[in-house]
Amino acid sequence: NAGVTQTPKFRILKIGQSMTLQCAQDMNHNYMYWYRQDPGMGLKLIYYSVGAGITDKGEVPNGYNVSRSTTEDFPLRLELAAPSQTSVYFCASSNMTSVYTQYFGPGTRLTVL
Amino acid sequence: AQSVTQPDIHITVSEGASLELRCNYSYGATPYLFWYVQSPGQGLQLLLKYFSGDTLVQGIKGFEAEFKRSQSSFNLRKPSVHWSDAAEYFCAVVGGGATNKLIFGTGTLLAVQP
Repeated sequence: NAGVTQTPKFRILKIGQSMTLQCAQDMNHNYMYWYRQDPGMGLKLIYYSVGAGITDKGEVPNGYNVSRSTTEDFPLRLELAAPSQTSVYFCASSNMTSVYTQYFGPGTRLTVL
Repeated sequence: AQSVTQPDIHITVSEGASLELRCNYSYGATPYLFWYVQSPGQGLQLLLKYFSGDTLVQGIKGFEAEFKRSQSSFNLRKPSVHWSDAAEYFCAVVGGGATNKLIFGTGTLLAVQP
């Protein structure tokens, strides 16, 4: 098992550009999550999904969109990137038998200039 | 609203010394509590969790944590720290409601002196 994988590892965007952060898991987990981590702020939930075709907003969804067409993939879309979106982004997943135990990917470090 | 406080931003200990990282939570019901570790450039790895039962829980890498309801605390401990334990440690609580979202503390950065 690869677990939770994320691509790219690093990315620099210009203000106003768009991009998609990829997340995939091979553990057949129903639940998937996107977090952002800012220095000294812990992790904040952006969006989450309880299964294919079902997504919902977390604490800080503005400026982001998600989709969940398959169980495995949960991409995060940034539209019109802003400097405030400079952060480290983590994807996580959990299964129905242990929903509260989340497995994290290695993260994507995004800088918006 | 549920919250988690980690009062120590940065802690330095000597290798071989004991370690205690503090975590306080605010939650009305019985909380589900977690400790995660993040090594430099890595994602978060679950160290241990508490759902119910024995208030002293054992985790990986020789860590343990004790749930104290009277103090609303879930402190992480290790009797003898190794240089490889240098990392950032996050306490988290399940936020409740329809989601399974975790509410994280702001983290404690552990440095280990030789």
